Amino acid sequence: SQQGEEDPQALSIQEGENATMNCSYKTSINNLQWYRQNSGRGLVHLILIRSNEREKHSGRLRVTLDTSKKSSSLLITASRAADTASYFCATKRTDSSYKLIFGSGTRLLVRP
Amino acid sequence: NAGVTQTPKFQVLKTGQSMTLQCAQDMNHEYMSWYRQDPGMGLRLIHYSVGAGITDQGEVPNGYNVSRSTTEDFPLRLLSAAPSQTSVYFCASSYWIGQAANTGELFFGEGSRLTVL
Repeated sequence: SQQGEEDPQALSIQEGENATMNCSYKTSINNLQWYRQNSGRGLVHLILIRSNEREKHSGRLRVTLDTSKKSSSLLITASRAADTASYFCATKRTDSSYKLIFGSGTRLLVRP
Repeated sequence: NAGVTQTPKFQVLKTGQSMTLQCAQDMNHEYMSWYRQDPGMGLRLIHYSVGAGITDQGEVPNGYNVSRSTTEDFPLRLLSAAPSQTSVYFCASSYWIGQAANTGELFFGEGSRLTVL
């Protein structure tokens, strides 16, 4: 079963706008990671947030984590057409040191 | 560094045929894994390995075998291909810093697209 579920499934915005994607999960985690996948390519790691962290920044990316609600959000500010991709959250559960479980992803389209 | 290299990129099989998807990494990563990606399903973990000689099952292991004889290579074998195994397969690796520590970032290959007729 999927540990992480992203919301929305698809998002279309204009260049320059902010894009927010959400991820919910079911069990306790050690960390949560966000990945990006361009069409037809492999996934690329964007950012990792640990369970004892609440917010993290990397360039135009901002990730928040609310362990009480078992949810995370990824904010991309001042989006560009090149940000068009699918975005996945992945969780490392506390009861499984060896597995990283992915959600079904959010497809982001940034219109020029 | 080449990173994670997967071969072949594309493959068409007939039902019942067997084949091996190859995965190699040159980053000296201890941890390697195989995922399959299907539309609307995200990525599902098939098998993983935390070092040479050590493998274990993921979420969807049935119909697949793996072995890890070297740190660099982690092949995925389809024993008797079925149409349900039509998918895009990704190999991913990472540093492994101990059982109690956090899994670090995964490095992915470009994927192998498999069609089973």
